[in-house]
Amino acid sequence: DTGVSQDPRHKITKRGQNVTFRCDPISEHNRLYWYRQTLGQGPEFLTYFQNEAQLEKSRLLSDRFSAERPKGSFSTLEIQRTEQGDSAMYLCASTPPGEGLAKNIQYFGAGTRLSVL
Amino acid sequence: AQTVTQSQPEMSVQEAETVTLSCTYDTSESDYYLFWYKQPPSRQMILVIRQEAYKQQNATENRFSVNFQKAAKSFSLKISDSQLGDAAMYFCAYSANTDKLIFGTGTRLQVFP
Repeated sequence: DTGVSQDPRHKITKRGQNVTFRCDPISEHNRLYWYRQTLGQGPEFLTYFQNEAQLEKSRLLSDRFSAERPKGSFSTLEIQRTEQGDSAMYLCASTPPGEGLAKNIQYFGAGTRLSVL
Repeated sequence: AQTVTQSQPEMSVQEAETVTLSCTYDTSESDYYLFWYKQPPSRQMILVIRQEAYKQQNATENRFSVNFQKAAKSFSLKISDSQLGDAAMYFCAYSANTDKLIFGTGTRLQVFP
């Protein structure tokens, strides 16, 4: 069990560019969450998947944001036409089925820090 | 809408002493979960302790315990025998059923030798 893995750890981009982040959940975890954390704030929910189905999206997830989990394993979060306000830490979390889901225990990755210049 | 409030941006404690971090929340749900997560610098968030709202007994995990006051919508974390490794950001979080987590703004805990 290697934990939730996120790649890259850091991303610096220029305003207007597109970026894509990847999250690999813990093996056999069928629920996957994306959160955004800005400096001095707690994480804010963006979206989550149950297997490959995207079940909920936050209003924070504007049209420039899209998330996928095509085979129910890893997930990608893409931001198009980045803006300076997108600068944040993007966190991924996963939950195992069964007791873990019943208890809503989410295991977090170390995050991808995005800086938009 | 559910909200979580942590009114202490920073707290400090001396090694081996006890510290309590405060959290209040607002919800109209009767069944929900409450969590405390620890986020060390540049490292991932780790679950410290979890409480189910329907349980009256306060959760404990080794040196960590909570004081859950459902009527007051209060959920404080007590850390006993504080250690240098306890220094981190601590986030209080709420979820209704098996759902997204709603976090507070966090409390930065410093531990002095």
